[in-house]
Order: sequence, then C-alpha cells, then structure tokens
Amino acid sequence: GAVVSQHPSRVICKSGTSVKIECRSLDFQATTMFWYRQFPKQSLMLMATSNEGSKATYEQGVEKDKFLINHASLTLSTLTVTSAHPEDSSFYICSARDPRRPNTEAFFGQGTRLTVV
Amino acid sequence: KNEVEQSPQNLTAQEGEFITINCSYSVGISALHWLQQHPGGGIVSLFMLSSGKKKHGRLIATINIQEKHSSLHITASHPRDSAVYICAVYHPNNQFYFGTGTSLTVIP
Repeated sequence: GAVVSQHPSRVICKSGTSVKIECRSLDFQATTMFWYRQFPKQSLMLMATSNEGSKATYEQGVEKDKFLINHASLTLSTLTVTSAHPEDSSFYICSARDPRRPNTEAFFGQGTRLTVV
Repeated sequence: KNEVEQSPQNLTAQEGEFITINCSYSVGISALHWLQQHPGGGIVSLFMLSSGKKKHGRLIATINIQEKHSSLHITASHPRDSAVYICAVYHPNNQFYFGTGTSLTVIP
C-alpha cells in the first residue's frame, strides 16, 4: 500500500537553530501534503497544507515565517522550524493523499519528535 | 466543544477483554478514520469508513451516520494493542478533525 516516510524521527537542537523535517511519499505522487503538530495528550492540530509548486496554506495562528514549508516535488515536502525555541518542542506529523485514491483517505508519516534545548 | 469527542479518555483492560472505544462527531463528514498511535508517536490508519462496518483481524469498526457515532472494538485484547486510538473525521471542506484520543493499556 501507499507509504509516507518522515525523517528524522527524533531531533534535539539548540535554541536559535533551525531544523528541517522531511516528508516523502514513497510510491505515489502527492500534490498535497499536510503538516500537523501534537502537544502531549492533545489532539493533532493542522498547521498547514502544502501544495506542490505553490505556497503553503497556513492555519490561523501558525507563523509562516517560523514554520517554512517547501513542496518542491511531487514526492517531498519539508517543514523547517526556524530559530527554534523550547516552546517549539512538540511532535510533528505529516500526511499525504494519493490522488489515485478517494479524497477522504490519508496516509501518515511516522512523526518527528522535536526537542529544543 | 470539539467537533470530535472520544470516550473514554483512558482505558485499562486485562488481556483477553473485549474493548470498545466510542467517537461522536458534530460535523458533516465524508469519511471517518480510526488511527493508532504507538508510544513512539508513529500513526497508523486502522480503518477508513463512511458507512456500516469493517473488520480487520481482531479489530472491528462501525459507524452510524444518522447518529454521528462510531465505535472501535478490539476482541481478545493483547498487551501489544496498548496505544492511543484516535478518531478522525474528514469534512467535505477537505479538512480533518481529530479527537483527543483514547489511551489504552492492556495488562497481561
């Protein structure tokens, strides 16, 4: 079946540095990918929708200059957390849709646990 | 009020018990997903359903569109079933709404 791969699974970085998270669709071309954030014991929250070849659509309250999203190819979207602060520590998950499948179906990456020290 | 409500929030069961997790939603949906999130965080989609019932191994998912309710059942539960189970509904506006999850612990 379709698989979405996310890398890295864990990252620890120093305050002020930037971290890049990759989300790849392995056996399909994803024109749209989604980035979510999850705080402990809370639900997934949509951060932004990444569209191949165009600018990402950010949810209200999400700083687009802080969370840079690039969807440069049909199989890769990246989320870069710039000038990371400890409050950015969280679990980040991507998902993608296979356009060959129903629009209601989504595949999720393994997630990235970011710790900013 | 959240668009998706799950119950219970936490559940502890003895190995072998039959488990039910409930999900109620308040928005119109195109489909409903049951997701499993393991302690490491990775998420696996267990079911996607828009009507009726689906079964996969020891897992059964049902949905009642009129009542806006879905249940996830686990028969003969096993410690490896311990995880967080998340109900996610897909709205026709192309957006997912997620429940806060049910944390299941199955004790040997």
